[in-house]
Amino acid sequence: DTGVSQDPRHKITKRGQNVTFRCDPISEHNRLYWYRQTLGQGPEFLTYFQNEAQLEKSRLLSDRFSAERPKGSFSTLEIQRTEQGDSAMYLCASSLDRRREETQYFGPGTRLLVL
Amino acid sequence: RKEVEQDPGPFNVPEGATVAFNCTYSNSASQSFFWYRQDCRKEPKLLMSVYSSGNEDGRFTAQLNRASQYISLLIRDSKLSDSATYLCVVNRAGYSTLTFGKGTMLLVSP
Repeated sequence: DTGVSQDPRHKITKRGQNVTFRCDPISEHNRLYWYRQTLGQGPEFLTYFQNEAQLEKSRLLSDRFSAERPKGSFSTLEIQRTEQGDSAMYLCASSLDRRREETQYFGPGTRLLVL
Repeated sequence: RKEVEQDPGPFNVPEGATVAFNCTYSNSASQSFFWYRQDCRKEPKLLMSVYSSGNEDGRFTAQLNRASQYISLLIRDSKLSDSATYLCVVNRAGYSTLTFGKGTMLLVSP
């Protein structure tokens, strides 16, 4: 399967713990995005990378959230001191930068439950 | 006002029906428009891009009205497999990130 992959698919944690999620984009894609989706809502943008550079961060991304893409390939999203409000599906997407049209392909997501 | 607003659902229709979804966007700088489909507990998948001239893909027709900042999706001869949530998505000029509506759920029954 050459699509976007995410790990883990599910994570249950206790409030206050740290969690880290991984995303492996489609191999030739230079752009990588993180979104968060809660029940009954559409995905909301968190941050995005072009190669290893983090180019944009949403105001949704509090100080407890950090994302990296150290070699311009896979990315990690870490949440420190998790809160119950962090419970959501965390979606990763990747795309190939094309001037005229750019399609984002989503991974299966990591479903986080904070108890 | 939310940046992308969609019809609240769910839409319950019988097989074979024609159903239309509406979407409005608030940012006139929006440049690209899409419909994504999301099955229950799955990731969103691109259904189709939306062009100013309107475009069709089999049973699916998308329309864009830039003056009214309005996007639509028409599904003809609906199938059971069309049951899903349909997300209206816009992309602002100069930005790579996507802005999603809340989605409209479609339930097609036998």
